[in-house]
Amino acid sequence: KAGVTQTPRYLIKTRGQQVTLSCSPISGHRSVSWYQQTPGQGLQFLFEYFSETQRNKGNFPGRFSGRQFSNSRSEMNVSTLELGDSALYLCASSWGDRGPGNEQFFGPGTRLTVL
Amino acid sequence: KQEVTQIPAALSVPEGENLVLNCSFTDSAIYNLQWFRQDPGKGLTSLLLIQSSQREQTSGRLNASLDKSSGRSTLYIAASQPGDSATYLCAVRKRSGGSNYKLTFGKGTLLTVNP
Repeated sequence: KAGVTQTPRYLIKTRGQQVTLSCSPISGHRSVSWYQQTPGQGLQFLFEYFSETQRNKGNFPGRFSGRQFSNSRSEMNVSTLELGDSALYLCASSWGDRGPGNEQFFGPGTRLTVL
Repeated sequence: KQEVTQIPAALSVPEGENLVLNCSFTDSAIYNLQWFRQDPGKGLTSLLLIQSSQREQTSGRLNASLDKSSGRSTLYIAASQPGDSATYLCAVRKRSGGSNYKLTFGKGTLLTVNP
């Protein structure tokens, strides 16, 4: 069974631009969660999508948004990029409907650098 | 608000040594706790998942314990090897509303095992 895939693996953008990251979950998984990882703040939860609906949201500004498609693939968009948005962005998939048993499986991440 | 702390932030040991990584959390009302490994620039690999009703879990040279009432978990690595060098993260899962559950991560312990 294929794991979680993320594209692209690396991105370099300049301040003010926008970026879209993609995540394909494990086949059959309906939940996709996004995390931002920086050396200073560690791993922080951005949002979770389940069956094309945002189900949970972390404490990030509205510049960070996402969506999920009917095949469970998810995209995350960041508009008006700032230097502080440079980070490793990880997505994780799970079944999504098994309560606390929803073990998450992580992708390799997208490394975003904002210049 | 759930906070997860990992001590030490970094640890360097000679090959063959047994070691313990610590994780503490402020809200003991968790459903489970998960230990992950992260290699540089890569995603997270799940190592052990302990349900709140369990005291410990073992996988090969790894043993994780959980004391929910005191808000502590330890990851014991026996006979460490250079290939164990990585960042180890713990994360706790707690209900975030309705049937939703959220993972909160510690900032990790960077382990270096010297040959």
